[in-house]
Amino acid sequence: QVQLVESGGGVVQPGTSLRLSCAASGFAFSTYAMHWVRQAPGKGLEWVAVMSHDETNIYYRDSVKGRFTISRDNSKNTLYLQMSSLRPEDTAVYYCAKAGCSFSTCYTNWWGQGTLVTVSS
Amino acid sequence: DIVMTQSPDSLAVSLGERATINCKSSQSVLSSSSNKNYLAWYQQKPGQPPKLLIYWASTREFGVPDRFSGSGSATDFTLTISSLQAEDVAVYYCHQYYSSPYTFGQGTKLEIQ
Repeated sequence: QVQLVESGGGVVQPGTSLRLSCAASGFAFSTYAMHWVRQAPGKGLEWVAVMSHDETNIYYRDSVKGRFTISRDNSKNTLYLQMSSLRPEDTAVYYCAKAGCSFSTCYTNWWGQGTLVTVSS
Repeated sequence: DIVMTQSPDSLAVSLGERATINCKSSQSVLSSSSNKNYLAWYQQKPGQPPKLLIYWASTREFGVPDRFSGSGSATDFTLTISSLQAEDVAVYYCHQYYSSPYTFGQGTKLEIQ
């Protein structure tokens, strides 16, 4: 049974940093690309970043480039999102999502329950 | 960026009737090399993460009821629910994974009439 459990969310002030983690189990983590997708309260889905299974392909949406860093530790079956210079518009539930393939240009076929990040002074 | 536009924004359908949601992309998401459309459909119920229904525009995910079907190619796509059930009340999103930044439609809220 695929499980993705996000953690690390919370309430932070603008300009600060936060690291999200996503613990994966129930599948061969090292063979699949992984995504982060966010959803602001009451809004739609917004893709954030993706990393291929072997870390060779990494892409970000423009609004987080230079501020967010996606990474993975295949030995720990864990995906990370390091977020810095946080802005109020980054407030959202952040979902970790497993791709259906090893490469980055692939649909996501399993999502975690999400972790809420609130950026507010 | 590829802009995904869904129509309608909301939809009310009677139980047992057909529901149709449309999705239009601002650029083609059809790969000439693979002849695949990089288009997926998701269902999201309140308080839950999205659930994959359809990928490659028309391939139903394992376990998804066969009343859900996807069609279309290049820039125009459709999600059809052939006979609406009460448990299908949700928001539906189309999603292109053809090129970064991968983008979603704004969502279509489906309700029972």
